[in-house]
Amino acid sequence: ETGVTQTPRHLVMGMTNKKSLKCEQHLGHNAMYWYKQSAKKPLELMFVYSLEERVENNSVPSRFSPECPNSSHLFLHLHTLQPEDSALYLCASSLRRDTGELFFGEGSRLTVL
Amino acid sequence: KQEVTQIPAALSVPEGENLVLNCSFTDSAIYNLQWFRQDPGKGLTSLLLIQSSQREQTSGRLNASLDKSSGRSTLYIAASQPGDSATYLCAVPNSGNTPLVFGKGTRLSVIA
Repeated sequence: ETGVTQTPRHLVMGMTNKKSLKCEQHLGHNAMYWYKQSAKKPLELMFVYSLEERVENNSVPSRFSPECPNSSHLFLHLHTLQPEDSALYLCASSLRRDTGELFFGEGSRLTVL
Repeated sequence: KQEVTQIPAALSVPEGENLVLNCSFTDSAIYNLQWFRQDPGKGLTSLLLIQSSQREQTSGRLNASLDKSSGRSTLYIAASQPGDSATYLCAVPNSGNTPLVFGKGTRLSVIA
């Protein structure tokens, strides 16, 4: 138990669906992150939030829309995804942005049909 | 732009062996370096965090070293066990304001 909880753990969606991934951290951290992990590729940073403000968007397509309503919760809204978006989506948090130790959730396995 | 390389990509050893995993990075202006473990289909578990001012960190059978000037880190696992089988990832912050950049990992199999 890392203190970072992701739901759902598995999600299957069609290309026309709209769904959301949720992340919650109970560690009192100030920064939260979304990473994408595809087969045989390094983890790719998608978004960074620091004190609820988005501070980085790593050239992610607009079909992925993050939301951080407070410092404990992070969402990733998904719409009109493509099959190549199928991957493991990992949420992480750290006490400080950029230099703090990173704690990850178990991930949400997304399959786009 | 920071690049992280991990060698070897995969490693298979008999139980009980001591082993070393390697990580190299291109930009030595790092604040820290973190080693993670990932089991199949799971998230990442933090193993060790080495600050830039430190040379090594130890946790149980794990020892991580850091040589900033040469852009290298090693993870030493003593007396390996089948339960150590997993993918081990190394990550460093990019210079400036970008958080962790990851290597592709080393997939370790410890055979009983």
